[in-house]
Amino acid sequence: GIQVEQSPPDLILQEGANSTLRCNFSDSVNNLQWFHQNPWGQLINLFYIPSGTKQNGRLSATTVATERYSLLYISSSQTTDSGVYFCAVVGGTSYGKLTFGQGTILTVHP
Amino acid sequence: DAGITQSPRHKVTETGTPVTLRCHQTENHRYMYWYRQDPGHGLRLIHYSYGVKDTDKGEVSDGYSVSRSKTEDFLLTLESATSSQTSVYFCAISGQEFYNEQFFGPGTRLTVL
Repeated sequence: GIQVEQSPPDLILQEGANSTLRCNFSDSVNNLQWFHQNPWGQLINLFYIPSGTKQNGRLSATTVATERYSLLYISSSQTTDSGVYFCAVVGGTSYGKLTFGQGTILTVHP
Repeated sequence: DAGITQSPRHKVTETGTPVTLRCHQTENHRYMYWYRQDPGHGLRLIHYSYGVKDTDKGEVSDGYSVSRSKTEDFLLTLESATSSQTSVYFCAISGQEFYNEQFFGPGTRLTVL
């Protein structure tokens, strides 16, 4: 099946710093999503981005499907950005099954 | 936010007992999914549904069954709970196509003693 790798596994920032999270995937995808899992366990949708670029406030994402990677940019980080960021994809023949990466654990210190 | 609720939110049960988790949506979405989240494994698909009475297995379906008698409800049953099924269970929904954006419910934390 499709493989999803995220980097870095851990990231520690001071409030106000910028960061880039990367997601590499091993095959063509029909769907790519970025999620934030907050400290209470909720999975919050950030972007649905199988290709192209999107922005939402301080967050933006780019997926280059032909090169099989996606990037999530967080600017001017805040303590509330802390949590785990997941990239997940639906491969070409996977009937909607989201395959998740192992996540990036982000800690933002005040 | 997508209208997805899960019940119960927390449950503690004993090995060998049957357990049913419920996912309810108010979005009239076609697809519904059950995932489990475990340390070291991330989220993995258990079963999914592509319509009323239409269900199929995911990658970790052993020991689980599902039913969908109405568009809005998707039930996950552990026939005889085992300690290895201690996990956090998430329901997800998506629209009319399998590649549509998925939205997740709040999760159910299940502990099997």
